[in-house]
Amino acid sequence: EPEVTQTPSHQVTQMGQEVILRCVPISNHLYFYWYRQILGQKVEFLVSFYNNEISEKSEIFDDQFSVERPDGSNFTLKIRSTKLEDSAMYFCASSEAYSSESGRGEQFFGPGTRLTVL
Amino acid sequence: AQKITQTQPGMFVQEKEAVTLDCTYDTSDQSYGLFWYKQPSSGEMIFLIYQGSYDEQNATEGRYSLNFQKARKSANLVISASQLGDSAMYFCAMRANAGGTSYGKLTFGQGTILTVHP
Repeated sequence: EPEVTQTPSHQVTQMGQEVILRCVPISNHLYFYWYRQILGQKVEFLVSFYNNEISEKSEIFDDQFSVERPDGSNFTLKIRSTKLEDSAMYFCASSEAYSSESGRGEQFFGPGTRLTVL
Repeated sequence: AQKITQTQPGMFVQEKEAVTLDCTYDTSDQSYGLFWYKQPSSGEMIFLIYQGSYDEQNATEGRYSLNFQKARKSANLVISASQLGDSAMYFCAMRANAGGTSYGKLTFGQGTILTVHP
């Protein structure tokens, strides 16, 4: 069964360093998302991406964040200068459609990358 | 804006019994979808069930069913015949459908930790 994959599973970095989190969405999916979950808290939307551009972003997704689909398979999240409060689990997700009246358009999540900023 | 509320931080159930996890929502969108995801201790997010706002019947997926009461804005998850492997965090989420205010963004509740006792 196709699945979303993410690398690395755990990333430790020093405050102020740049990190790139990588995701390979399901191959026939068109819509891609990043979410984050601070330990013990709810999952929060960061950004959605379609047709090589951002379609929506949250207030969390400030100028320190960027996303890219550098080739036909990878989808990356870059944090330019990490802060302590960026420590969280980051989930990539993908879907065939972003909505459907008759279907589900459910998002399939990757296993997550745990980012620890020291 | 969309809001999801899960008022039960933790729930306990005996193995083989049924359990209901509560979810209420608020939205100005006319068309939307409601989702439940399971997050085991390993951290991944597993899609369980979907309910469209215009679906007349409650959704069912194996042992999972969704008790959808649109007028009350509730979408409770019912797990029948609980198993030890059902112990996990459960998140309710919603998404605006086409013509709505977002492009597939999922808004999550705070989650409910379910513990199944043998």
